Amino acid sequence: SQTIHQWPATLVQPVGSPLSLECTVEGTSNPNLYWYRQAAGRGLQLLFYSVGIGQISSEVPQNLSASRPQDRQFILSSKKLLLSDSGFYLCAWSGGQGGQPQHFGDGTRLSIL
Amino acid sequence: AQKVTQAQTEISVVEKEDVTLDCVYETRDTTYYLFWYKQPPSGELVFLIRRNSFDEQNEISGRYSWNFQKSTSSFNFTITASQVVDSAVYFCALTERSGGGADGLTFGKGTHLIIQP
Repeated sequence: SQTIHQWPATLVQPVGSPLSLECTVEGTSNPNLYWYRQAAGRGLQLLFYSVGIGQISSEVPQNLSASRPQDRQFILSSKKLLLSDSGFYLCAWSGGQGGQPQHFGDGTRLSIL
Repeated sequence: AQKVTQAQTEISVVEKEDVTLDCVYETRDTTYYLFWYKQPPSGELVFLIRRNSFDEQNEISGRYSWNFQKSTSSFNFTITASQVVDSAVYFCALTERSGGGADGLTFGKGTHLIIQP
């Protein structure tokens, strides 16, 4: 069966520090991969998605970036964190065909001080 | 542009009551997919159901049922005989068919359901 792992679960970082969140999927090949952010008390916002290695699409302009160095690995990064980057970050995967359900990791709670 | 509206920010009911969570969507596409997800206090998102735009049959799964009506652009979720374990934030989401094969979800803002014992 397919599983998705996301780490770390919790992270506290100072303003201006770099960020790297990692997500890996097991039990499937060539998944679509996604990064979402959930700000406190709000819905989820799609940040990035990827249909294959090295293929990244960004949905919103920001100081975050994403990379997919391997088929089942998706990384969210920042060179310099802002206070507004605080939130709950969720990684998800889906099958390659359109309209497939997305399955989410446990998320990372990021607090910027 | 697509949009999902969950007008109920928070609902509180007593255990064993039935409760309906409303979802209204907007899309210009004729092919689209609707989803419901559950987010318990632990934070992970749990997939509950998917419905495509060509399938208007209502679905029942145990105490859960979903009513999809294209005429009113609604996809409502009913929990029968609610239980404390149903307490969570519930999200309705929409995606349109995309040629690229990756379908980002547009989420509503969620409904916080509180089931009181």
